[in-house]
Amino acid sequence: NAGVTQTPKFQVLKTGQSMTLQCAQDMNHNSMYWYRQDPGMGLRLIYYSASEGTTDKGEVPNGYNVSRLNKREFSLRLESAAPSQTSVYFCASSPRQGLNTEAFFGQGTRLTVV
Amino acid sequence: GESVGLHLPTLSVQEGDNSIINCAYSNSASDYFIWYKQESGKGPQFIIDIRSNMDKRQGQRVTVLLNKTVKHLSLQIAATQPGDSAVYFCAEIAGNTPLVFGKGTRLSVIA
Repeated sequence: NAGVTQTPKFQVLKTGQSMTLQCAQDMNHNSMYWYRQDPGMGLRLIYYSASEGTTDKGEVPNGYNVSRLNKREFSLRLESAAPSQTSVYFCASSPRQGLNTEAFFGQGTRLTVV
Repeated sequence: GESVGLHLPTLSVQEGDNSIINCAYSNSASDYFIWYKQESGKGPQFIIDIRSNMDKRQGQRVTVLLNKTVKHLSLQIAATQPGDSAVYFCAEIAGNTPLVFGKGTRLSVIA
């Protein structure tokens, strides 16, 4: 059972380059999320998709875009990478949003922007 | 490699002792809370949850206590083992909203 799969696991970008982080879940979950994790900052929500066809901004959406391609897949795009976007990115999914719905996390994508 | 645990509060305990990790939350409307464990190089993993209409919930070797009056959550780990070494996060949900995470605490178990 794969759960939540993120690709790539590691990436180095030059300032100004673009890239898309991929995320897929095989648990038939309705809700999906993108978080970033910086040292000493915990996990901060970038964007989320409560259900297929909807996306909403989280706490730190600037510089990012998302696409809920279908129920399984939720991608995060950096159009013009900046050093401030160096972070570990986690995708997560949950059966639905709200009460009694734990989120399941992928293994993370470690992104460095130089 | 990058350490997501830099600058986190650290709790060091002897193997076999009990550990208590604390978390203060800010949103009085939060009605569901989860503790996650994150090992180095991995994503967070669910440990235990509690709804706001409860004060205490027990799992295997873990207990979560909730004090809504002072907006405080704690995770107690009994007979701490080396495999418990990790960063622990509390997370909260208010209504139909996504999880909001606290900053985390690093637990270091001394053998």
